[in-house]
Amino acid sequence: DADVTQTPRNRITKTGKRIMLECSQTKGHDRMYWYRQDPGLGLQLIYYSFDVKDINKGEISDGYSVSRQAQAKFSLSLESAIPNQTALYFCATSRTGLKFFGPGTRLTVL
Amino acid sequence: SQQGEEDPQALSIQEGENATMNCSYKTSINNLQWYRQNSGRGLVHLILIRSNEREKHSGRLRVTLDTSKKSSSLLITASRAADTASYFCATESYGQNFVFGPGTRLSVLP
Repeated sequence: DADVTQTPRNRITKTGKRIMLECSQTKGHDRMYWYRQDPGLGLQLIYYSFDVKDINKGEISDGYSVSRQAQAKFSLSLESAIPNQTALYFCATSRTGLKFFGPGTRLTVL
Repeated sequence: SQQGEEDPQALSIQEGENATMNCSYKTSINNLQWYRQNSGRGLVHLILIRSNEREKHSGRLRVTLDTSKKSSSLLITASRAADTASYFCATESYGQNFVFGPGTRLSVLP
């Protein structure tokens, strides 16, 4: 079984819709992250959490919100999706140092 | 501003040749990490090198770090078609989040 899972893997939605992307991990890591990747580019940090009560904005948090429901779960929400949020979204976990990534969610906003 | 910048952006080589990718960064770091990403998939960590280390090896991978030049290189020896992927460096600094570069797209031709 994968250590870091993301659901859904693919999603197509319309402008203005609310979308939630979910991430679960079985690694027992305290730190969890949400990144977005645009074609041909590196990853940009959206939000990160160092434990259940700790949520922090990353480089590009505008238009996104997160919820850390438990140590193992970290959800990313787009309250009102817009086309320029079309991207590949990755969840990651870490204890310290190396990060472990989920398989990604491909989101298309029409 | 982006911390890590990989060079070249794209690299094509023949199977069996060595591939060298470089990463430059701007500020002092705690460690530097190299990741690999197959098309549309999550990132997989390859090697972490700490700021007090100069070289690390893992199988066919060799990573060097020159903190005076704020640069790192990833060497893949005896490349294989399966090495075709994008390779990212990421830096971790005290008080600063993990920052990814835009990546190097490596194509290994059979």
